[in-house]
Amino acid sequence: KQEVTQIPAALSVPEGENLVLNCSFTDSAIYNLQWFRQDPGKGLTSLLLIQSSQREQTSGRLNASLDKSSGRSTLYIAASQPGDSATYLCAVFNAGNNRKLIWGLGTSLAVNP
Amino acid sequence: DVKVTQSSRYLVKRTGEKVFLECVQDMDHENMFWYRQDPGLGLRLIYFSYDVKMKEKGDIPEGYSVSREKKERFSLILESASTNQTSMYLCASSLRDREVSQPQHFGDGTRLSIL
Repeated sequence: KQEVTQIPAALSVPEGENLVLNCSFTDSAIYNLQWFRQDPGKGLTSLLLIQSSQREQTSGRLNASLDKSSGRSTLYIAASQPGDSATYLCAVFNAGNNRKLIWGLGTSLAVNP
Repeated sequence: DVKVTQSSRYLVKRTGEKVFLECVQDMDHENMFWYRQDPGLGLRLIYFSYDVKMKEKGDIPEGYSVSREKKERFSLILESASTNQTSMYLCASSLRDREVSQPQHFGDGTRLSIL
């Protein structure tokens, strides 16, 4: 059974730091991995989607990598800003469980001015 | 931009009431989903639908039903609300792609309290 883990659960950094959020999954048979952002009391916004055949995806200051064989993904945020404060969730689309995402619990990020 | 609209941001209902949560998307997406989100448990899939009048159970369907009479609208129904259904409910939609999934687009959520 696929399980997705995000470490750390919470992170607090000063503005301007480069930071890395981690996501690990137990079954490497996935179609893709997605990173989402959730602001307090709001829905989720899709940030990046990495197909299983890809190694990384970039969008602005965000870069997500995928190492399927080791069951890991990282979300790199460059030059963090207070506006980046949110919860970041990763989810894998399981090849053996089509049409359903398996979710991590998220990392709550606070970027302090 | 994809727009997924949930009818209420906050809702307070009483135990035993029948509760309707509505979700509408404007991008002609085939797939629609209902999740609930609880602290420490993350997002859990309640029901999903690939097409009009079609539905499939997710991981926690008990106590819920759904309706999809039109492509753009997916309704979640709590048949007889109970206090353990107090939660944040999130609706999402995506294009259908049987080989590789498309990103899901979410509404702002409905925070439902059952008293």
